[in-house]
Amino acid sequence: QQPVQSPQAVILREGEDAVINCSSSKALYSVHWYRQKHGEAPVFLMILLKGGEQKGHEKISASFNEKKQQSSLYLTASQLSYSGTYFCGTSTPGGTSYGKLTFGQGTILTVHP
Amino acid sequence: EPEVTQTPSHQVTQMGQEVILRCVPISNHLYFYWYRQILGQKVEFLVSFYNNEISEKSEIFDDQFSVERPDGSNFTLKIRSTKLEDSAMYFCASGSGGGYNEQFFGPGTRLTVL
Repeated sequence: QQPVQSPQAVILREGEDAVINCSSSKALYSVHWYRQKHGEAPVFLMILLKGGEQKGHEKISASFNEKKQQSSLYLTASQLSYSGTYFCGTSTPGGTSYGKLTFGQGTILTVHP
Repeated sequence: EPEVTQTPSHQVTQMGQEVILRCVPISNHLYFYWYRQILGQKVEFLVSFYNNEISEKSEIFDDQFSVERPDGSNFTLKIRSTKLEDSAMYFCASGSGGGYNEQFFGPGTRLTVL
């Protein structure tokens, strides 16, 4: 079952902040955040692991609530380059976790001057 | 900076034909993936590959699909008999550590089945 992202779309002016949420009904092992611009490949932003470890982009922050199986991506002081579709991808724990990611439906972020 | 590469960037084929999509993962990565994205929709997992064998596959990845790592650097996805609904962007990704490490995506191959 795919994670659910909210909101579906958000429009900002440069300098404004945004929060994108990702929620799963399954216990999660890791949450991966990507940004995709039109016609391009998803670009890795951040990974959050069960247990609290994070790896990723210096200017982007995120949180992972393991009990609630939720993650939030925080975009502060947005720039025009932040525009794109943001996807969360989740992996679930199992005997052998080879990294299959199940993606949410995406959140379209538009930043205007 | 190392990156995943894919060829071709665009493939047009007739229904029923075989296609092979090629990928060169990042050289020290051990986990390889194929995902696909139908236009305007979310990214969908197809298959993961580790230690020279398929480790997991989705219900999309039926008998028409196969993957191979023929020479230690390339990673290929073959679709034996393409259908109209196979039209999509196919992304190869690679990672160093399964679910607890980053996966880096290639630029994708746009497959159009006529």
